[in-house]
Amino acid sequence: GAGVSQSPRYKVAKRGQDVALRCDPISGHVSLFWYQQALGQGPEFLTYFQNEAQLDKSGLPSDRFFAERPEGSVSTLKIQRTQQEDSAVYLCASSVDITTAGYTFGSGTRLTVV
Amino acid sequence: RKEVEQDPGPFNVPEGATVAFNCTYSNSASQSFFWYRQDCRKEPKLLMSVYSSGNEDGRFTAQLNRASQYISLLIRDSKLSDSATYLCAVNSAGRRALTFGSGTRLQVQP
Repeated sequence: GAGVSQSPRYKVAKRGQDVALRCDPISGHVSLFWYQQALGQGPEFLTYFQNEAQLDKSGLPSDRFFAERPEGSVSTLKIQRTQQEDSAVYLCASSVDITTAGYTFGSGTRLTVV
Repeated sequence: RKEVEQDPGPFNVPEGATVAFNCTYSNSASQSFFWYRQDCRKEPKLLMSVYSSGNEDGRFTAQLNRASQYISLLIRDSKLSDSATYLCAVNSAGRRALTFGSGTRLQVQP
């Protein structure tokens, strides 16, 4: 595709519900990142994939957060037993190779936990 | 102390003005530096990378001061369309993750 595509665009979840957020990176992009952006803050790193390998998950805030990219393309970020503090915009980004540090973000998924 | 810090602003400037933002970083191992622009309720978009020698792209000039550990962004001849939040981002050697500041909001007024 032309850009990084994320779905859904908006998600409202009841506290305790599980959610799954999808990211379609730019075709052929090796690197994929997930970030969390709270209101009024900059994006905060969650996890990084190089192809299907999850090489860095140091930013995942708890074991309720899980990400996968099984075929090295589409990625899913799953949040179990959502809490109100999980409310944020979840941004996915991709880059063409492992040496390119500046990358392209998707439009994000705005998650609201009520 | 946050790893990357920015003045949140807002910076309110008239059209045509020159405005500059700084961003300080605490990790001396930081290797790559970027400025992103983020419009309200949109995703961040890469504005420019910041090189050691400084670099310019039209009305935008970015500079890096490693000794004092800050990067700067200068916008000349501000346009109404420059109104946005400007995020600086830094990454360290061996890591692919970027660490972002909280952003500086710019409002250009007619």
